[in-house]
Amino acid sequence: SSGLTQDPAVSVALGQTVKITCQGDTLRGYHATWYQQKAGQAPTLVMYSENSRPTGISDRFSGSRSGNTVSLTISGAQAEDEADYYCNSRDRSGNVVFGGGTKLTVL
Amino acid sequence: QLVQSGANVSQPGGSLRLSCAASGFSFDDYAMHWVRQAPGKGLEWVSGINYNSGDTHYADSVKGRFTISRDNAKRFLYLQMNGLRADDTALYYCAKDFYAHSNGWFERWGQGTLVMVSS
Repeated sequence: SSGLTQDPAVSVALGQTVKITCQGDTLRGYHATWYQQKAGQAPTLVMYSENSRPTGISDRFSGSRSGNTVSLTISGAQAEDEADYYCNSRDRSGNVVFGGGTKLTVL
Repeated sequence: QLVQSGANVSQPGGSLRLSCAASGFSFDDYAMHWVRQAPGKGLEWVSGINYNSGDTHYADSVKGRFTISRDNAKRFLYLQMNGLRADDTALYYCAKDFYAHSNGWFERWGQGTLVMVSS
């Protein structure tokens, strides 16, 4: 299966650390990227190739991989980090697949 | 920058063409994609095209109905949508890939075009 699975919702206390995960068989062969989508806005790339940050993305964001699971970690979560987070990757046929998204609430 | 055409409405079974104008980068060096988001739902990849139109890919949900194309001279990306269904109602984003061939890494996104299919 090329599907990617994410927890629908995660919460974190202000200033604490949170890990958002994405699981799928295709991740054993292909890299993942992470996108942040705030309400009413287009998505923004926050991590690519599991652990590379685009220019301008806070170093509070980090990424990792273990087997068929990739993770996005936000250290010292801030109110502005509250958003939906999506992982994506590709499959052998060249098609792209997204996870279902994780809604992050900062308490 | 990716600037998309305005909102569109169609009846079921109808056709629409979306466009996306690119600027600020070498358009003909990168693969491009369409991604959609139904109201209140997650992101769904729709289609991708490589840098020279030599390779295209489609989600199963749109295969045979939608056609992606690009005009590198004009720096435009298009999505021809035929046989529209109510479940095609969504905000459609164009997105720039990292590479010339589709890799699914979207480093830049358009502002989105709302497509509504309703009788």
